[in-house]
Amino acid sequence: NAGVTQTPKFRVLKTGQSMTLLCAQDMNHEYMYWYRQDPGMGLRLIHYSVGEGTTAKGEVPDGYNVSRLKKQNFLLGLESAAPSQTSVYFCASSYPKLYTGELFFGEGSRLTVL
Amino acid sequence: AQKITQTQPGMFVQEKEAVTLDCTYDTSDQSYGLFWYKQPSSGEMIFLIYQGSYDEQNATEGRYSLNFQKARKSANLVISASQLGDSAMYFCAMRGLNQGGKLIFGQGTELSVKP
Repeated sequence: NAGVTQTPKFRVLKTGQSMTLLCAQDMNHEYMYWYRQDPGMGLRLIHYSVGEGTTAKGEVPDGYNVSRLKKQNFLLGLESAAPSQTSVYFCASSYPKLYTGELFFGEGSRLTVL
Repeated sequence: AQKITQTQPGMFVQEKEAVTLDCTYDTSDQSYGLFWYKQPSSGEMIFLIYQGSYDEQNATEGRYSLNFQKARKSANLVISASQLGDSAMYFCAMRGLNQGGKLIFGQGTELSVKP
């Protein structure tokens, strides 16, 4: 019953450092997403993927890269972290539904950039 | 393009009373889905209820119901008989047929239930 698993759960970076957030899902979902959550702004979509080997930009893609080499994994990378990227990051996955079907979320990863 | 607006940053309700959380949306899609999620202080995102644009009846899930008014582009969440455990952030969200599977969220409403 793992569902969507994000690692790490917490991370502190210095400005300019790089890191990768890993999202893994065991529900055989086609679609996967990365969101960031900041106070008063809800969840904003960073990047998403509708299948293995495909990725697309969301609302706030700048400063992030993603890869979907395997269907069950979706990686979010920060090449040169900035304080503005301090946030809580959520990964989600869903069946290949265009407008029906809910997203299943991971527990979130709290990233602090000093 | 799609947009979700939640105009109530914070709400208070007395325990056992009903409360309505407002959500309005804008979309160019004819086919779309509206969702509500709950985020307690522990941080996880919990799916509550879904309403499709072609559904004639309002969706209900236990104490949750969605008051869907298509012409007014509103999808308000109604929680009946509030409980202390209902204290949380609530997010309205939408997926549209021509949006590639994306789910777009509103800013959220923080609900506090008073004993």
